[in-house]
Amino acid sequence: GAGVSQSPRYKVAKRGQDVALRCDPISGHVSLFWYQQALGQGPEFLTYFQNEAQLDKSGLPSDRFFAERPEGSVSTLKIQRTQQEDSAVYLCASSQMDVPLRAGNTIYFGEGSWLTVV
Amino acid sequence: DQQVKQNSPSLSVQEGRISILNCDYTNSMFDYFLWYKKYPAEGPTFLISISSIKDKNEDGRFTVFLNKSAKHLSLHIVPSQPGDSAVYFCAASEVNRDDKIIFGKGTRLHILP
Repeated sequence: GAGVSQSPRYKVAKRGQDVALRCDPISGHVSLFWYQQALGQGPEFLTYFQNEAQLDKSGLPSDRFFAERPEGSVSTLKIQRTQQEDSAVYLCASSQMDVPLRAGNTIYFGEGSWLTVV
Repeated sequence: DQQVKQNSPSLSVQEGRISILNCDYTNSMFDYFLWYKKYPAEGPTFLISISSIKDKNEDGRFTVFLNKSAKHLSLHIVPSQPGDSAVYFCAASEVNRDDKIIFGKGTRLHILP
């Protein structure tokens, strides 16, 4: 596709419900990132994939958060037993190269999935 | 503990004038810095970057200045245009940690007619 596509754009979940957020990166992009942006804050790193390998998941806030990218393209971020503090915009980004920044490469963000936990 | 700090939540500038957005950082391991621009309901878009081996990088109306000794960088927009109204995020990454970009909280820039 032309850009990074995320779905759903908006999700309201009841506390305790499981949610799954999908990211379709730009075709052929090797690197994929998930970020969480709470209201009034900047994006905070959650996890990073290089193809299907999850190379860094240090930003996942708890074991309720799980991300996968089984075939090295589409990725899913799953949040189990959602809590109110999980309410945020979840941003997915992709990059063409496996060295995202140093070669003058750029990371492209999707529009985000807005999650509200009530 | 915020490693990238944008202390001005908002800034208003007259159209045609210079906009200066400031950013401070605390992590001495940061060696690559970026600015992203974000419109409402859209994802951030890359604007300009600078490596720590430089002190200035220019791209059209946008210039980023880096002062390593002060751990400070700034983004200059000259001249400011109405379409520049957006939230601007300062971001940084550590040596050998391209996968993790640390963002500031952002500064909302309003360009006044």
